[in-house]
Amino acid sequence: QITLKESGPTLVKPTQTLTLTCTFSGFSLSTSGVGVGWIRQPPGKALEWLALIYWDDDKRYSPSLKSRLTITKDTSKNQVVLTMTNMDPVDTATYYCACYGSGSYPDYWGQGTLVTVSS
Amino acid sequence: ETTLTQSPAFMSATPGDKVNISCKASQDIDDDMNWYQQKPGEAAIFIIQEATTLVPGIPPRFSGSGYGTDFTLTINNIESEDAAYYFCLQHDNFPLTFGGGTKVEIK
Repeated sequence: QITLKESGPTLVKPTQTLTLTCTFSGFSLSTSGVGVGWIRQPPGKALEWLALIYWDDDKRYSPSLKSRLTITKDTSKNQVVLTMTNMDPVDTATYYCACYGSGSYPDYWGQGTLVTVSS
Repeated sequence: ETTLTQSPAFMSATPGDKVNISCKASQDIDDDMNWYQQKPGEAAIFIIQEATTLVPGIPPRFSGSGYGTDFTLTINNIESEDAAYYFCLQHDNFPLTFGGGTKVEIK
């Protein structure tokens, strides 16, 4: 059974750096073709794709947020970490991590974690 | 970047109805379209892959159609448990992009 769970702060101040951790089970990020990525959804708005890291450490980022995002993995801990710098109130959203079992698209999702950016 | 225009944003259906949700891509994406279902507080569930293929374990009342730029998710004989938020995703090119979502209410 594949599960993913997001963790991190629920409240961050403007200009701070957000660090989110995705802890997963039921698959390995050392398996060829597999990836784990992050997606967010501001309240009342559409989903937005953020970043993806593959088993071979190849990475993809949203062009509009690339300068602020870093995605890393710790295969031994079954974790993927996303950092987003210079947080702004418009970054208030539910952040989801997802497994890309085939490498091409998310097939398993976490429940998400709401992050509010406010002073 | 491929823009996905999903419609309607909201719909209300009666059990037994047939429901269609549309997703239109701003450029040709072949069949690189997926559909997902999400209920409040729960993880999204993958229901249709590659535009038309039902994900294993998903009830056959769900189906997908389309190719290129126009795609449709159909729910036949909708049930109360199908009340949820549905969204489309294109994986033809980076960045992956999503439709705006459809909230389906069951009367």
